[in-house]
Amino acid sequence: EDQVTQSPEALRLQEGESSSLNCSYTVSGLRGLFWYRQDPGKGPEFLFTLYSAGEEKEKERLKATLTKKESFLHITAPKPEDSATYLCAVRRGSQGNLIFGKGTKLSVKP
Amino acid sequence: GAVVSQHPSRVICKSGTSVKIECRSLDFQATTMFWYRQFPKQSLMLMATSNEGSKATYEQGVEKDKFLINHASLTLSTLTVTSAHPEDSSFYICSASMGRDGYTFGSGTRLTVV
Repeated sequence: EDQVTQSPEALRLQEGESSSLNCSYTVSGLRGLFWYRQDPGKGPEFLFTLYSAGEEKEKERLKATLTKKESFLHITAPKPEDSATYLCAVRRGSQGNLIFGKGTKLSVKP
Repeated sequence: GAVVSQHPSRVICKSGTSVKIECRSLDFQATTMFWYRQFPKQSLMLMATSNEGSKATYEQGVEKDKFLINHASLTLSTLTVTSAHPEDSSFYICSASMGRDGYTFGSGTRLTVV
């Protein structure tokens, strides 16, 4: 069964304290792993798409990496405005829809 | 960038009434749209996939007669919750496929049935 598991469920950091979020997945025919940011009461906002093991992408304080079984979202020197829920999703090979994990709720305190 | 406009953002309705949620692609044509439902502290669960001009494909366990989806044009898809009940209260989000570039999401609709 296709599955996406994110950990930790919640993460509290001090401003400037770097850390990583994990997304492990099992899916037949992976056609992309996606990271989104979701603020309360809003729809997900696109961050990254990764397609093959070893691929890395960066955007400001965020860096996403991918292996054959998991992906990491590294946050370097986070700021309070980085507080949000970060969602990981994989695209199924045959259907094209996304399967989401439950997300990691990140809180960054000043 | 590609934008999907979703309305309304919040709606409160009485039990037994119907509610329509609209999603419009503003600067591109969305051949395929996805409708998700999200409960507190839970992941987005796919409800159905709609393709312009054809019937929607519903996920297992989703009542097609209760959640009516119409994708009559390349820029508009609608979800109608018919005969709503309190258990239908949730956060509904639409999404459009951008091909290899991924998906863009609407801002979501908070439905409360009283």
